[in-house]
Amino acid sequence: GGIITQTPKFLIGQEGQKLTLKCQQNFNHDTMYWYRQDSGKGLRLIYYSITENDLQKGDLSEGYDASREKKSSFSLTVTSAQKNEMAVFLCASSRQISQNTLYFGAGTRLSVL
Amino acid sequence: TQTVSQSDAHVTVFEGDSVELRCNYSYGGSIYLSWYIQHHGRGLQFLLKYYSGNPVVQGVNGFEAEFSKSDSSFHLRKASVHWSDSAVYFCAASSYQGGRALIFGTGTTVSVSP
Repeated sequence: GGIITQTPKFLIGQEGQKLTLKCQQNFNHDTMYWYRQDSGKGLRLIYYSITENDLQKGDLSEGYDASREKKSSFSLTVTSAQKNEMAVFLCASSRQISQNTLYFGAGTRLSVL
Repeated sequence: TQTVSQSDAHVTVFEGDSVELRCNYSYGGSIYLSWYIQHHGRGLQFLLKYYSGNPVVQGVNGFEAEFSKSDSSFHLRKASVHWSDSAVYFCAASSYQGGRALIFGTGTTVSVSP
């Protein structure tokens, strides 16, 4: 079996700050994803990467950057944190982009003061 | 626009009752559908999936789901719930032809009372 590790688990930032969330997977999966989870809104796709060196925007990419440094890691940057923003960011991976099970990390909980 | 909708935000049942969670989708072409479960404070875990063949698919822990093309639905069911089934359940979909990531519904919170 494998595991997805997200760091940090909790992230507290200041308004306007640039914040980076990290994700590592040891499944040797090709595809990785970042979703944002807000209460009552389900999961919304921010960025995904079909293979190493690929980057695709999701519906919620504005205000974020992403980087697939290598096959096992996928980072997300909040370019300018919004005051009172609270959300959980979930990283996931899958063997391929479609028809495949997603494996999720436990999430990074963001609070902006 | 491709959408996944879960009409019930919250469902409360007693232990031993059956439960059905509704999921409707709006997609063109062939579709890949799945259900995930999220226990409090955890990431999502895969329950089951459908993309072709028998429209009734079995998942882990006694869950099953039925695909209906005519109703554009993929409802999740369990015949007898346990307290540990208390969680948030997400329906998800993507185009079967690939190249697109899963789109998730807003989730249904299931509370199981003793």
